[in-house]
Amino acid sequence: EAGVTQSPTHLIKTRGQQATLRCSPISGHTSVYWYQQALGLGLQFLLWYDEGEERNRGNFPPRFSGRQFPNYSSELNVNALELEDSALYLCASSISQGWETQYFGPGTRLLVL
Amino acid sequence: AQSVAQPEDQVNVAEGNPLTVKCTYSVSGNPYLFWYVQYPNRGLQFLLKYITGDNLVKGSYGFEAEFNKSQTSFHLKKPSALVSDSALYFCAVRARRAGANSKLTFGKGITLSVRP
Repeated sequence: EAGVTQSPTHLIKTRGQQATLRCSPISGHTSVYWYQQALGLGLQFLLWYDEGEERNRGNFPPRFSGRQFPNYSSELNVNALELEDSALYLCASSISQGWETQYFGPGTRLLVL
Repeated sequence: AQSVAQPEDQVNVAEGNPLTVKCTYSVSGNPYLFWYVQYPNRGLQFLLKYITGDNLVKGSYGFEAEFNKSQTSFHLKKPSALVSDSALYFCAVRARRAGANSKLTFGKGITLSVRP
């Protein structure tokens, strides 16, 4: 069974540009979660989508947004990139909410110059 | 608000010795508790979780964790450490009764270093 996949693996942008990150969940999983892992800051929760709707949002500015498609894949968009947006962005998926385990993808490393 | 404390930045053990990676949590009501491991330049891998029932949970790669409600702890343990266990370990908590939109909160992570 294929795991969570993310693309691209690496992304280099300049300040002010927009970045789009993509995630495909494990087959059968309807929930997709996005996390930011910046150096020294641990995992910070960004967004949670389930059945196409945004269920919860972390403490990030509105320029971080996303969506979930009918096939449950998801996009994370970061507008007006800032240098401090440089981080590893991790996507996870689960069957549903509650105690279901989140399974993580390998991440997209975003570098903002 | 829920939170996870991983009080040490790094744990150092010798190969073959037992290891403990500590985690305490704060949550309203009963928790769901998880441990994940992250190897360099990789995503997180699930190790084990506590939902209900037996306080001792066994997981992947010989790891186990003990849920202690009175001490609000969920320490990760392994009887005999391997060099290949060297990685970054994350504890996470989710409130059981926080409603349909509760989120998983991670600790800052602990680096485990196992020397040969």
